[in-house]
Amino acid sequence: EVQLVASGGGLIQPGGSLRLSCAASGFTVSNNYMKWVRQAPGKGLEWVSLIYSGGGTYYADSVKGRFTISRDNSKNTLYLQMNSLRAEDTAVYYCSRSPDRWGQGTLVTVSS
Amino acid sequence: DIVMTQTPLSLSVTPGQPASISCKSSQSLLRSDGKTYLYWYLQKPGQPPQLLIYEISNRFSGVPDRFSGSGSGTDFTLKISRVETEDVGVYYCMQSIQLPLTFGQGTKVEIE
Repeated sequence: EVQLVASGGGLIQPGGSLRLSCAASGFTVSNNYMKWVRQAPGKGLEWVSLIYSGGGTYYADSVKGRFTISRDNSKNTLYLQMNSLRAEDTAVYYCSRSPDRWGQGTLVTVSS
Repeated sequence: DIVMTQTPLSLSVTPGQPASISCKSSQSLLRSDGKTYLYWYLQKPGQPPQLLIYEISNRFSGVPDRFSGSGSGTDFTLKISRVETEDVGVYYCMQSIQLPLTFGQGTKVEIE
């Protein structure tokens, strides 16, 4: 069964860093197009970043230079390193195997 | 960026009645490979999005046949032939022909 389990969210002060993890099972992360999508409280879906099976990475302008997507093939896990966090980064972060599977999400709250 | 515009933004439906949601893109979603990269997702309350329809009209595994997608180019429609109480939530269209990936604003479906 395909599963994605996201973790690593929490309360962090502005300017701080967090690393989100997304452990996958039932398929191989490195063979798929994986992405992170976020949803601010009460708002819609916003694409954040993606990594292609070939390793190419792309980012939304709002996070470029601050966030880094990566994967660990040995752990079959996707990551999102988030630096220089801002209040507007507060959201539930979902990992997804494009286009069909989504994890349950992990909440990131950026506040002093 | 490709803008995805959904109408209506909310819908109240009697169980057993049909429902329809429109999604218009600011550019054609038809790629040179002949595929149109338009997807429909449903986000039930408290859950991550789930894929309903991919490439305009293909139902994802396990999706009831009361859901159907149609359209071409820049104009797309999701139809529910007979709404059931379990269909409540927010419906999103998404394009993946071009980065950044973009979503419609969402259509909230409620039961009357």
